[in-house]
Amino acid sequence: DAKTTQPTSMDCAEGRAANLPCNHSTISGNEYVYWYRQIHSQGPQYIIHGLKNNETNEMASLIITEDRKSSTLILPHATLRDTAVYYCIVRGDQTGANNLFFGTGTRLTVIP
Amino acid sequence: GAGVSQSPSNKVTEKGKDVELRCDPISGHTALYWYRQSLGQGLEFLIYFQGNSAPDKSGLPSDRFSAERTGGSVSTLTIQRTQQEDSAVYLCASSLRQGRITEAFFGQGTRLTVV
Repeated sequence: DAKTTQPTSMDCAEGRAANLPCNHSTISGNEYVYWYRQIHSQGPQYIIHGLKNNETNEMASLIITEDRKSSTLILPHATLRDTAVYYCIVRGDQTGANNLFFGTGTRLTVIP
Repeated sequence: GAGVSQSPSNKVTEKGKDVELRCDPISGHTALYWYRQSLGQGLEFLIYFQGNSAPDKSGLPSDRFSAERTGGSVSTLTIQRTQQEDSAVYLCASSLRQGRITEAFFGQGTRLTVV
């Protein structure tokens, strides 16, 4: 599976949009981009995933560049409860892709 | 249950003792993962089960670690002769099936402290 690169930490003002970038320049054609987050003292939580089209759900939006080498997770109106470590993961959709590799992620702090 | 359940939530054990950690996945989920997370660190993959296939044990750090999954449901992670460096939060996750894109759901973890 392709590796990802994320900033170590980011701050965002409460109520503003939080834009979390992720680079995955070695992504291959059958690999999806997943985002998870881990709030302090809890297990990771799935947020969203996508292949090449932009995706939106009740939690967030995922914008994937046309070349698929990078993506951005957008939390449109960040709240204090969104403070967490956000993990960008690239994983193939094939038998044997049996591990979700969590890197160090981005620690997002939402500031009142 | 509605989510992945792990027990115990906390476990303190003496160095050298064996421990068993339990994971009840979401009903119907055929894929099950074990991870561990040391304080302030990322998640470290340990082992993966998928249906009746042989588990992927490539992440187990030593032969003191083993896991089984009975009947394709409940899983037990066993650590023999625990060491202080085994202290961590052990997380279990399950997903509907592997081979299709589907999210994994995590339990709250078992915090293991070896004293």
